Amino acid sequence: AQSVSQHNHHVILSEAASLELGCNYSYGGTVNLFWYVQYPGQHLQLLLKYFSGDPLVKGIKGFEAEFIKSKFSFNLRKPSVQWSDTAEYFCAVSGGTNAGKSTFGDGTTLTVKP
Amino acid sequence: DTGVSQDPRHKITKRGQNVTFRCDPISEHNRLYWYRQTLGQGPEFLTYFQNEAQLEKSRLLSDRFSAERPKGSFSTLEIQRTEQGDSAMYLCASSLSDSGANVLTFGAGSRLTVL
Repeated sequence: AQSVSQHNHHVILSEAASLELGCNYSYGGTVNLFWYVQYPGQHLQLLLKYFSGDPLVKGIKGFEAEFIKSKFSFNLRKPSVQWSDTAEYFCAVSGGTNAGKSTFGDGTTLTVKP
Repeated sequence: DTGVSQDPRHKITKRGQNVTFRCDPISEHNRLYWYRQTLGQGPEFLTYFQNEAQLEKSRLLSDRFSAERPKGSFSTLEIQRTEQGDSAMYLCASSLSDSGANVLTFGAGSRLTVL
């Protein structure tokens, strides 16, 4: 069975601070990994994904994530956060090629103080 | 394309009543998913369809819950004899199965409150 663990429930940063949100997953096979973001009052939307190839993936708005297979991790990073990055961030995993369901972590709420 | 549409956006009902939610996916997407989300939790998988076939249903899902996607387009999620524990946001998402990573596009959700 798939599972996802996000280590921080709530992170508070000042603008221009660096961000790293932890995500570890449990799955025995080939994985697809995702970060989704939900801005206040908006739908969940894709931030970035890892499917195959380069383990360092870049997403929208300057976010990136690194897949480390040996650590079962897919941490999200941004060198300098902005007030507009205030949102809830969800890590998700789906298994294998042409995978079915995605399993989500419980999310991390990021608050960026101006 | 208007994205994934869900209706109603909010539903308040009394315990024991039946409720039905509708989801219209992105038209070219062949997969449709239902998730449930409560405060402080991530989306919890309920079930998904590929075209009209229901391919997986969560073992945690009570038999009071049923979902259909009769023509492979829109889907309905019905909850019978609602309980207060059913109060949650019900999310629908769609995807294209041959797109590799199976990225989900979510709707705005239907919020259910059971009194």
